[in-house]
Amino acid sequence: AQTVTQSQPEMSVQEAETVTLSCTYDTSESDYYLFWYKQPPSRQMILVIRQEAYKQQNATENRFSVNFQKAAKSFSLKISDSQLGDAAMYFCAYRTPEGGSEKLVFGKGTKLTVNP
Amino acid sequence: ETGVTQSPTHLIKTRGQQVTLRCSSQSGHNTVSWYQQALGQGPQFIFQYYREEENGRGNFPPRFSGLQFPNYSSELNVNALELDDSALYLCASSRRQGPDSPLHFGNGTRLTVT
Repeated sequence: AQTVTQSQPEMSVQEAETVTLSCTYDTSESDYYLFWYKQPPSRQMILVIRQEAYKQQNATENRFSVNFQKAAKSFSLKISDSQLGDAAMYFCAYRTPEGGSEKLVFGKGTKLTVNP
Repeated sequence: ETGVTQSPTHLIKTRGQQVTLRCSSQSGHNTVSWYQQALGQGPQFIFQYYREEENGRGNFPPRFSGLQFPNYSSELNVNALELDDSALYLCASSRRQGPDSPLHFGNGTRLTVT
């Protein structure tokens, strides 16, 4: 069974600075998808960025980028130029490539605080 | 485009009772999945529905059941509620276009069992 581990329960960053959130996972599959979701106090899970395991190029979405190390099974999220609105819980998630499966395996999350 | 909506937002039930949670999929989406998020934890997959049939299930007992309707909306039913069922229940919908098709989540239903 796949597992996702987020070793940082809480992180803080100064506004406009850069922060990196860590995620490791365990799987025996060679192809899969990885995601970072943001959950603000509104409770809605919002997709931040996704990475396909067979793509070596790291995904980037504006101020958000990932460092995907497949051999190390590591998938960290870097937030550049942090903004107050980035404060939220961040969850790393794994998804099997099995056709039709909507199952995401989530980590326990990292609470990000952005200080003005 | 209407997003995923869930009702009610909050609910308080007594141990042993039954509860039904509702979810309306985002327009154009045909697959619904449900997740349980206990306090301080990440969401855990309960099950998913496609074409009104359950076609994937996580490690949850049979007292967790669901339905998907022709309009792709969905219900989650939990019988014989236990204290540990207290959690945020999240519904997510997607177009089922492949494993990289994004899931769109609702704001969840906070269930408290006393």
